Amino acid sequence: DAGVIQSPRHEVTEMGQEVTLRCKLISGHNSLFWYRQTMMRGLELLIYFNNNVPIDDSGMPEDRFSAKMPNASFSTLKIQPSEPRDSAVYFCASSFRTSGGKNEQFFGPGTRLTVL
Amino acid sequence: GQSLEQPSEVTAVEGAIVQINCTYQTSGFYGLSWYQQHDGGAPTFLSYNALDGLEETGRFSSFLSRSDSYGYLLLQELQMKDSASYFCAVPHAGNNRKLIWGLGTSLAVNP
Repeated sequence: DAGVIQSPRHEVTEMGQEVTLRCKLISGHNSLFWYRQTMMRGLELLIYFNNNVPIDDSGMPEDRFSAKMPNASFSTLKIQPSEPRDSAVYFCASSFRTSGGKNEQFFGPGTRLTVL
Repeated sequence: GQSLEQPSEVTAVEGAIVQINCTYQTSGFYGLSWYQQHDGGAPTFLSYNALDGLEETGRFSSFLSRSDSYGYLLLQELQMKDSASYFCAVPHAGNNRKLIWGLGTSLAVNP
């Protein structure tokens, strides 16, 4: 299995531009998580989907951020317009629901976003 | 609310043993997970403890005491490649699909 795939790996853009990050889940997984990681705030959950349905978007910073999951294997995170404070590493992770609380999450390699 | 505390940095030498502690506050508890993240890499799952006691996986062990809301990750026979950040995490009390993360402990292994 190729694991979770993210693209692009690096993105440099200018303030005000639209940014789209992409994620392909591991086949058979039914939950998808978008995270943002910075030195100051650590790993923050932005939104997660279960069976393609957004379950919790309470971590989405503001209306400039949106996420979609058009099918069981693919998701996008869009920032429009982007701002310098959005600079961070964005990870997506997938998991397969099991009983109990283990819920091991498999992370993609991340997208390093720099907004100038 | 839920929160986790772990030391920000730990330094050790090759061959040594190091313990990374994690204390948590949560209204409902399912278990404690540990993840490893190398610089520039992605977090990867190390272990999960739902019950009290020590779980061993090779050089790494993880311990949980639910009565003390405390756990630790024990790394033995340290190697340079163990230099990384280590995160503890617990499932969200209201929705155990979500994880609440500690801020991570940066481990530096020196020769």
